[in-house]
Order: sequence, then C-alpha cells, then structure tokens
Amino acid sequence: IAGITQAPTSQILAAGRRMTLRCTQDMRHNAMYWYRQDLGLGLRLIHYSNTAGTTGKGEVPDGYSVSRANTDDFPLTLASAVPSQTSVYFCASSENSEMNTEAFFGQGTRLTVV
Amino acid sequence: AQTVTQSQPEMSVQEAETVTLSCTYDTSENNYYLFWYKQPPSRQMILVIRQEAYKQQNATENRFSVNFQKAAKSFSLKISDSQLGDTAMYFCAFMSYNNNDMRFGAGTRLTVKP
Repeated sequence: IAGITQAPTSQILAAGRRMTLRCTQDMRHNAMYWYRQDLGLGLRLIHYSNTAGTTGKGEVPDGYSVSRANTDDFPLTLASAVPSQTSVYFCASSENSEMNTEAFFGQGTRLTVV
Repeated sequence: AQTVTQSQPEMSVQEAETVTLSCTYDTSENNYYLFWYKQPPSRQMILVIRQEAYKQQNATENRFSVNFQKAAKSFSLKISDSQLGDTAMYFCAFMSYNNNDMRFGAGTRLTVKP
C-alpha cells in the first residue's frame, strides 16, 4: 500500500537515552517533514528536507537531528531525550507540483520521555 | 518565517448547520499554498481542501469551501450541512512555493452536536 510509514507507533523512553524515529515513504516525494504535535500548540515543524541530501531547520529544531541519505527515508534522532520532548511526532511528505500539492502524513509516533 | 494563527481553540455547531473556522497568516511571499487539514480521534491527518494563492477563485470541495482574502491574509473554512463525522481538530496550514516550508496553526477543535 502506497503511503508513508512511521515506526514505532509508540515508545516510552528514559531521559538521557538516544532514540531514532523512522519514516519511510514510497511515493517518491521530494520533500519530507518532521512535526511534533502538542496540545494547544498544533503541529510545529522540527526539520524538513526539500530533496535527498539536503535538510533544513524548522521552528523547534533544538535537540533533534535528521538525515536524508535517499528519497524514501527521513529518520529523526533525539541524541539525549528530555521530558519536554514528550509529544506525538508526525512525519510527512509532499510533491510540490502545479497539479498536485499536498502533504501526506504518517500515523504518528507517541513518544513519552520519563 | 511564516506564521499561521487560528484564533478559535474550540467551536461547536448543531448537526445540519453551517460553521466557519478562521485562519490568518503572515508572509512576505506572493506564491504559496494554503490548506485545511482534519484530524479525527484516529490521529490521522486528512486533507480537506487546498487553495493556490495565485487563484482568485475560492476552492470548494462538496460541503467544504474557503473564503480566501489574499490582501487580508485570511483563509477561513466554511462547513455546510455539518455532520457528526465532521467532529475533529482542524488545522490551517501554509506552504511556501519556493522551499516547501510548511507551517500549521494551533488548531480548532470542532464538535458537531446532534
């Protein structure tokens, strides 16, 4: 089934531990994104990538890193997790074209840092 | 950087009635895209409607329509003949045409009452 897949679906993580959230899309979209969703704050952009090999910082990049080695994968890494990183994380992808511009989202990863 | 503001944290409407959700944004760009996404309790992000900034005609998708006022930087969503299944969080979003940077508002929680 075509789309965008995130793993894990949920995770409880001890503070100070390293964690990588995985994101894979099979739509060959150029652009990919990572957001965190917190109550009352909506979705805030962490990092994005316009194409394989490039990344950019969003609104709240501190404490997070990303890589884009190929078109399909866009992992998000928390080098040393802190409780304020407890959130629901969404990965998304889009193909910015004249005929069809839309962001497709994964199902989200609920991360709890304790 | 672009900002998106949704000033209504919560709204309710009676089934079959019409409701309008507000969204304003701030940008110095002339070419961009605007979106309304729906997030039901399942957490899945679903595209409701899309508007290209260069188009003067307001987008319409069945019961959903927008009032796009480019000079005022306003992008409201009107839901006609509201249905119980419309109950969800609604997010307004802005995407830059130049760099795929996509930003969301804080969301409006809509409840449709029977």
